[in-house]
Amino acid sequence: DGGITQSPKYLFRKEGQNVTLSCEQNLNHDAMYWYRQDPGQGLRLIYYSQIVNDFQKGDIAEGYSVSREKKESFPLTVTSAQKNPTAFYLCASSPGQSRMNTEAFFGQGTRLTVV
Amino acid sequence: DAKTTQPTSMDCAEGRAANLPCNHSTISGNEYVYWYRQIHSQGPQYIIHGLKNNETNEMASLIITEDRKSSTLILPHATLRDTAVYYCIVRVYSGGKLTFGQGTILTVHP
Repeated sequence: DGGITQSPKYLFRKEGQNVTLSCEQNLNHDAMYWYRQDPGQGLRLIYYSQIVNDFQKGDIAEGYSVSREKKESFPLTVTSAQKNPTAFYLCASSPGQSRMNTEAFFGQGTRLTVV
Repeated sequence: DAKTTQPTSMDCAEGRAANLPCNHSTISGNEYVYWYRQIHSQGPQYIIHGLKNNETNEMASLIITEDRKSSTLILPHATLRDTAVYYCIVRVYSGGKLTFGQGTILTVHP
């Protein structure tokens, strides 16, 4: 089945440790996105990538890092510099500039808890 | 991308039409209006999008005003499973920055 997969669904880490969240898509999409969602809040954009080997900061990039070495994969690292890392993280992909006016597809999210 | 304004919350009776408004007064000519919804603790789900004409699909209808400064998402016969947060977004093309606002919490009552 085509889709976007985030793993794991739940993740626990100790404070001060870096942690990497996985996002994989087999939709052949050029663009990929990472969002953070806190309880009762909307989605805030962390990073996005419009093409392989290129990415841009979103609205809340501090304390996070990404890479886009392959079209299918856009891992997000939550570093120890992120002050409040506990949140629900969502990954999305969309076809990109080559295909206008098409929608983005979302994964089911990873709930990260830092203790 | 232009910003959008939506009411914080709305209620609807089951079986009735739910009309969710969105203001996007700074929308530019090449920006599309997209609607997504998010059911608790899941990833957002695409509903519908349009440029200037009204659109309908199996989930909903989208009515865009002639000046394109506002739109309304219509769920014609709301069910309890339509209870969710609904997001209205404007964007130029599918690969660019995709920013969400706070959305509207729609609660469908029995």
